[in-house]
Amino acid sequence: GQQLNQSPQSMFIQEGEDVSMNCTSSSIFNTWLWYKQDPGEGPVLLIALYKAGELTSNGRLTAQFGITRKDSFLNISASIPSDVGIYFCAGGNTNAGKSTFGDGTTLTVKP
Amino acid sequence: DGGITQSPKYLFRKEGQNVTLSCEQNLNHDAMYWYRQDPGQGLRLIYYSQIVNDFQKGDIAEGYSVSREKKESFPLTVTSAQKNPTAFYLCASSISDRGHEQYFGPGTRLTVT
Repeated sequence: GQQLNQSPQSMFIQEGEDVSMNCTSSSIFNTWLWYKQDPGEGPVLLIALYKAGELTSNGRLTAQFGITRKDSFLNISASIPSDVGIYFCAGGNTNAGKSTFGDGTTLTVKP
Repeated sequence: DGGITQSPKYLFRKEGQNVTLSCEQNLNHDAMYWYRQDPGQGLRLIYYSQIVNDFQKGDIAEGYSVSREKKESFPLTVTSAQKNPTAFYLCASSISDRGHEQYFGPGTRLTVT
């Protein structure tokens, strides 16, 4: 089946730093999504992207749908302690009925 | 408040027993999903249902069963055939025409000893 490679696997940063993570696939997707999971909770949808080349922001978060449709990027600016968690990318195709999830990037922010 | 609920948050069972995890949503979503998450790992799809009375196997369906008799409910049974059932189980739902925007429940942590 389709697989997503998400990197980096983990990040340790200082509060105030910017963060970048990405997701790549060998297959094309026509939807890319980014979720955040707090420890012991369910993931929460952060950003959904539906068009190649699309750049979308949600507060300090910015995500891009790669032109090739095989990748997506998430940037977090000026990180704060509550940004700690696991960030998952997911790709989907119309009528597929399900998404494919990456393995996640674990973010640790040091005050 | 609209949302998706899973109960209980923590569940303990003895090996060899079947156990059913509950998932209910009042978002009027057509599609529902079950995922398994192991420590330090991503989400693996167990089963999903796009409409009442219909469901499909995901990537790791062996040892699990589901039913979808009502739109609001999608219970997951972990059977004694599941070799390694201890995990964090997540349920999600989505609107059918935006099926990729999923809304997750708080999860159930199942421990089998």
